[in-house]
Amino acid sequence: DAGITQSPRYKITETGRQVTLMCHQTWSHSYMFWYRQDLGHGLRLIYYSAAADITDKGEVPDGYVVSRSKTENFPLTLESATRSQTSVYFCASSELAVSIDTQYFGPGTRLTVL
Amino acid sequence: AQTVTQSQPEMSVQEAETVTLSCTYDTSESDYYLFWYKQPPSRQMILVIRQEAYKQQNATENRFSVNFQKAAKSFSLKISDSQLGDAAMYFCAYRSANSGYALNFGKGTSLLVTP
Repeated sequence: DAGITQSPRYKITETGRQVTLMCHQTWSHSYMFWYRQDLGHGLRLIYYSAAADITDKGEVPDGYVVSRSKTENFPLTLESATRSQTSVYFCASSELAVSIDTQYFGPGTRLTVL
Repeated sequence: AQTVTQSQPEMSVQEAETVTLSCTYDTSESDYYLFWYKQPPSRQMILVIRQEAYKQQNATENRFSVNFQKAAKSFSLKISDSQLGDAAMYFCAYRSANSGYALNFGKGTSLLVTP
């Protein structure tokens, strides 16, 4: 049971380049989320998706684009990477959003923008 | 947005002892959910325990239990019989039951377990 996976696990890129972080879950969960983790900030929501083709902004969406053509995939794209986007990115999924249902997290992607 | 505060950046406990991690939150809502997540050096976020605000009974999961004080907006985590494997960053998180989908996280408490 793979659960939720992210790729790549580590990525180094340069300012101005486009980079896509992949997220794949095998549970057929309806909801998927992207968070970023920075020192001193905990995790903050970038975007979320309630179902295929339904996405919405979170707390820190600027500079990011998401899509969800299939239930199991939720890629996050940095259209023109900036140094401030250096962070650890976590994908998460849950069956329900507004209930006690737990969000399950992927292993994270450490992105460095030079 | 609701604010979650973890006032202890670092805590230390000896193996087999008990430690309590503090968490307070600010909300005007009456219905919500609270979580504790553990993040070991592997970076994986692991759910430790969760609590529904409408339940008065404190949640318990083996050696982990919470002290939920709704009026005080406090949600502390107690780890009993601490083990070396408990060493990690611990995050408290809040989620509204009525609006929004995000988990609002505190900044975390780093727990060191000494032999």
